[in-house]
Amino acid sequence: SQQGEEDPQALSIQEGENATMNCSYKTSINNLQWYRQNSGRGLVHLILIRSNEREKHSGRLRVTLDTSKKSSSLLITASRAADTASYFCATDANFNKFYFGSGTKLNVKP
Amino acid sequence: GAGVSQSPSNKVTEKGKDVELRCDPISGHTALYWYRQSLGQGLEFLIYFQGNSAPDKSGLPSDRFSAERTGGSVSTLTIQRTQQEDSAVYLCASSPRPGAEAFFGQGTRLTVV
Repeated sequence: SQQGEEDPQALSIQEGENATMNCSYKTSINNLQWYRQNSGRGLVHLILIRSNEREKHSGRLRVTLDTSKKSSSLLITASRAADTASYFCATDANFNKFYFGSGTKLNVKP
Repeated sequence: GAGVSQSPSNKVTEKGKDVELRCDPISGHTALYWYRQSLGQGLEFLIYFQGNSAPDKSGLPSDRFSAERTGGSVSTLTIQRTQQEDSAVYLCASSPRPGAEAFFGQGTRLTVV
């Protein structure tokens, strides 16, 4: 399977702390994306990193990609209660579909 | 519209009935995806459209599931003879081109009783 798998499954932190989530996948990819989901409905795109990139930043988000280890990490700095959500990585091997993992449920306590 | 629109937002149906789920993608987006998400689980890929054609139907779980897209725009996912295991949230997403950022609708929560 091409699926990305997130780790940990659940993460609980205090507001202001950093949150790190990891994603591992099985085969070569063209790009990897991170999405956020609130309340089990629509997903919101956070960031896309291409296979030839190693690190990307967007506001409080930092994503790294290590293609040799087939892994990616998402770091949320200075977390806020509003960051409470499920976070998914999606891998794209051949530009025609994304495979999603089971997600990391992040709980940021105020 | 401004985003991907799905209808209905909720659907309760009796086992054995057929249902149609609709997706209106963002105007101009050529790629359209259907996913299914069971409670507390990840997203399961169902089908992908590029324009009106579906080069990848590998995720459709059975022949009770079918989908079409017309005019390179609206897509309909049809589930025939629904079963209880079909209960899930069905999510549609569109993208300006394959492999780019995908924009998701709010989903249709299907409950088969």
